[in-house]
Parts: sequence; C-alpha cells; structure tokens
Amino acid sequence: DIVMTQSPSSLAVSAGETVTINCKSSQSLLSSGNQKNYLAWYQQKPGQSPKLLIYLASTRESGVPDRFIGSGSGTDFTLTISSVQAEDLADYYCQQHYSYPPTFGSGTKLEIK
Amino acid sequence: QIQLVQSGPELKKPGESVKISCKASGYTFTDYAMHWVKQAPGKGLKWMGWINTYTGKPTYADDFKGRFVFSLEASASTANLQISNLKNEDTATYFCARSADSGYLDWGQGVMVTVSS
Repeated sequence: DIVMTQSPSSLAVSAGETVTINCKSSQSLLSSGNQKNYLAWYQQKPGQSPKLLIYLASTRESGVPDRFIGSGSGTDFTLTISSVQAEDLADYYCQQHYSYPPTFGSGTKLEIK
Repeated sequence: QIQLVQSGPELKKPGESVKISCKASGYTFTDYAMHWVKQAPGKGLKWMGWINTYTGKPTYADDFKGRFVFSLEASASTANLQISNLKNEDTATYFCARSADSGYLDWGQGVMVTVSS
C-alpha cells in the first residue's frame, strides 16, 4: 500500500497569513501514461463531511476559492492556502488514488488564532 | 444538484448488525463507483472499499473483509453498507462518496454508528 505522510499535524495561524501543508507519498503518484499525478486534497470542516478541494495535484474543484493552491509532482505535494480566512478552519487531508487501495494522509488541523 | 443522502444515526449493542443506506440523486447512478470511508471519533479517514454500481461487484479493503457487505438497490439509486457482529471499534461515522478518476466528487453527510452495551 502507498503510505501518505502529511505534515504538520496541526497549525495555528492568524487570518491573512499563508499556510503550507505537505504530503509525501511512499511511491510516485505520477502516471507515465498521461503525466498526471493522482493526488487529491480534501477539506473537512467541523461536523461536516469532507469536500474535494484539489484534484490531480493542482486542479481546483469548481467553486473552490483561488487562495487554495495545489502543487507538486511524483512523491512530494503541497497545499498552500494564501490569505487564510476564518472560514478555512478545518482538517485537511491528502489522498492518493494512483493505485488501490486509495490511502489518505493522517490529516492537518488548521486553527485560526 | 447532486446529492448523496445517508440514513440516520444508529445505536447498537455489540454483536448486533446495522445497515446504512446512501441514496444518490442528480446524476446517473450507474456511471460512478460508490466508495465507503470510515472515520472513528477524532480520527482520520480510512478507505473501506467500493462497489461497482454498474455490475454490483464489491471490493473490500483488507481491514473490512468478513463482517462488512456493500450492496445496491440500483432501481432506487441506493448503495448500502451492512456491518454484522458489531464491535466497539466499529463506533465511527461512515461516509459514502461518489468516485471519479479525479477523486471523491461528492460525499454523503455521514452516519454515526455507536456500538455500546
């Protein structure tokens, strides 16, 4: 199974700051056939179900604010949230769907000071 | 709009069984696989497996083989998860999620299953 290592496990920032969340996979998620990275990011607000933010490592899902930016390739990926807002308080998870079983990172809890 | 509406919370005793439903609307049910994800209280997301909504074939993650059964009521655009011989460690929220190559596009609201004597 591909192991997803996510860091940090938690962080607290003030509104307006920029946040970086890292996700490292134990194997490359880059498909040699189509040059796509099968890495997704999800946001889970308190008491809610997860929501797809970013897919194929860097494509924002429809309706997701452009302050959410996904980047990276191969085994190293980053979710950057620029100018964090109070509504961004949530847990964030990366997930690989390059191979079965799909696996999630352990999550990053974002708190707003 | 696309919705996945799951059944309500459940309180069960150890050894009992539970069946959770996930009713889809707003898209062609058989065009997308349905996956199941477990989230224990205060913990992260764990993939349980998926069901091919066209053929009905289920696939289970290793940790969910034996007591867990995925099924369909395709005519009702509904996917079901049944857990038998419930254990305390089954206490969790169970999500269904519509899957595409890009990831899990939509999620149900989750069903909280509490197992307690």
